[in-house]
Amino acid sequence: NAGVTQTPKFRILKIGQSMTLQCTQDMNHNYMYWYRQDPGMGLKLIYYSVGAGITDKGEVPNGYNVSRSTTEDFPLRLELAAPSQTSVYFCASTYLGRDRGNTIYFGEGSWLTVV
Amino acid sequence: QKEVEQDPGPLSVPEGAIVSLNCTYSNSAFQYFMWYRQYSRKGPELLMYTYSSGNKEDGRFTAQVDKSSKYISLFIRDSQPSDSATYLCAMSETGANSKLTFGKGITLSVRP
Repeated sequence: NAGVTQTPKFRILKIGQSMTLQCTQDMNHNYMYWYRQDPGMGLKLIYYSVGAGITDKGEVPNGYNVSRSTTEDFPLRLELAAPSQTSVYFCASTYLGRDRGNTIYFGEGSWLTVV
Repeated sequence: QKEVEQDPGPLSVPEGAIVSLNCTYSNSAFQYFMWYRQYSRKGPELLMYTYSSGNKEDGRFTAQVDKSSKYISLFIRDSQPSDSATYLCAMSETGANSKLTFGKGITLSVRP
């Protein structure tokens, strides 16, 4: 009963370093999302994917890259980390078909600090 | 004007109080309206979902949508300490499970 699993939970990066946040879901969902949440702010969409091999930009994509080689996995890559990328990152997934009311399931978040 | 505005917090109420949480929005194309609850250091979880205008009730929770006023509300009756969390409104043009636009969230504390 894993749902959406994110790793790592916490990470400290130095400015200019790169890293990948991992996300995997075991619900056979076609849609996956990456959001970031800054203190006192709502969630902002970074990237999303409608299926394996298909990704698209969200509201705040700069400084990030994604790939979706399988249905289960949707890693988020941070290149040349900057202090502005200090945030909490949430991966999410859902099945989007005819029913537009299906729930989006969120992971527990990855806390990233860039110093 | 931001696309989704949510009442600023934090909000502290005594146990048993009725809580009213509100959001306004500017995009008239929004048709799906959600309330998410987020406990500390956890991911958001869907609490209520409403399509178009109207009311929806689920136990102690009632969601209201007034599309003519671009205003949505979440009411919590007989609030409990376990309701202490951050509540985020979210909206979408194309589905509750599609790209969402979130409010900033309001942190609610229910005092025993």
